[in-house]
Amino acid sequence: AQSVTQLGSHVSVSEGALVLLRCNYSSSVPPYLFWYVQYPNQGLQLLLKYTTGATLVKGINGFEAEFKKSETSFHLTKPSAHMSDAAEYFCAVSDKRGGSTLGRLYFGRGTQLTVWP
Amino acid sequence: DSGVTQTPKHLITATGQRVTLRCSPRSGDLSVYWYQQSLDQGLQFLIQYYNGEERAKGNILERFSAQQFPDLHSELNLSSLELGDSALYFCASSVAGGQSHEQYFGPGTRLTVT
Repeated sequence: AQSVTQLGSHVSVSEGALVLLRCNYSSSVPPYLFWYVQYPNQGLQLLLKYTTGATLVKGINGFEAEFKKSETSFHLTKPSAHMSDAAEYFCAVSDKRGGSTLGRLYFGRGTQLTVWP
Repeated sequence: DSGVTQTPKHLITATGQRVTLRCSPRSGDLSVYWYQQSLDQGLQFLIQYYNGEERAKGNILERFSAQQFPDLHSELNLSSLELGDSALYFCASSVAGGQSHEQYFGPGTRLTVT
């Protein structure tokens, strides 16, 4: 089964500072990769995804992520944090090999982002 | 708004009881997924349906069952409830059943078992 590790359950940054949220996956076959954001009392919203092609993926709200196969990583970044970015962020993968796990997402434990004024 | 609706938003019930959670996918989406979010386990995949048929199964307890109806809405049935079943239950939908398709999540149903 896939395993997703998000390093740091809590990250705090000042407004305007760089945001870096880390995600590593375990599969030897690179999976499909996703970042979701969850605001309080809401469902998950897709920020961006990587399936194939260019390894630097741009998403909504100024976020981007880079797939690095050699590091089995898919870290999420944003050059300048905004107060409205405060939320919980989840990295997820979908097993490319399919089979009985077709379509399911494996999630990391999440990283709570706090943005200080 | 993702276009995925879930009812009810909150549910409080007692141990041993049975509840039904309902999900309506986005218009045109054929695949429905159910996930459970708890402090202990994080976000866990339960089950997937595609166009009325069960497609994939995750860590779903035998006390839990689901189905997808001809109009593509889905229901998750939880029976013989235990305190540990208290969690946020999400439904997600996607246009197809493939691995690369993004899933759109509903707002969730918060289940509290007392």
